[in-house]
Amino acid sequence: QKEVEQDPGPLSVPEGAIVSLNCTYSNSAFQYFMWYRQYSRKGPELLMYTYSSGNKEDGRFTAQVDKSSKYISLFIRDSQPSDSATYLCAMGASGYSTLTFGKGTMLLVSP
Amino acid sequence: NAGVMQNPRHLVRRRGQEARLRCSPVKGHSHVYWYRQLPEEGLKFMVYLQKENIIDESGMPKERFSAEFPKEGPSILRIQQVVRGDSAAYFCASSLLTREAVSWTVNTGELFFGEGSRLTVL
Repeated sequence: QKEVEQDPGPLSVPEGAIVSLNCTYSNSAFQYFMWYRQYSRKGPELLMYTYSSGNKEDGRFTAQVDKSSKYISLFIRDSQPSDSATYLCAMGASGYSTLTFGKGTMLLVSP
Repeated sequence: NAGVMQNPRHLVRRRGQEARLRCSPVKGHSHVYWYRQLPEEGLKFMVYLQKENIIDESGMPKERFSAEFPKEGPSILRIQQVVRGDSAAYFCASSLLTREAVSWTVNTGELFFGEGSRLTVL
């Protein structure tokens, strides 16, 4: 079993849809959970960060962590074509210097 | 206000040649990390360096790969005698503080990634 599992997609939605992206993990030591967005041929950029369990909201983005189920989610409301990118979940046990990444989910938002 | 600069952006090598990838961190950052992204795979940690020190190289292949971050100049990831399986995107990231720092926060410990160097081995 891989440490972090993420459906690669692609996930295609119309503009304005609510998007749900998910990752599962097996390492119970993970405490820091991040979502990175990576546009084609670019480097990843940090989108959301959550420590331990709970929800965090930032504009149209909401990150959820359920440590009991080892499951994290990223919700995007009112999705826009500019949200089309690959979304990578990442997690770490202490700090996030050496992160473990999921494979990424490709999201396509059509106008 | 330059971010992480990586060069070359694209590098083509024949099997058996050497590849050198360079990374200049964000100004003021003294912690550098190298990650590799294989096709259809996620980012895999390779090595974590501070100036003149390798802190964690647990993700680095035991042979042919080496990394350095000298006191002056960029960090360098060196791959000797490249093979086709080395074809990948290599990303460098930098941060202001180490994960063990007492004052570590998401703002000071955040990893800033470069745009990557794409190595193709023929």
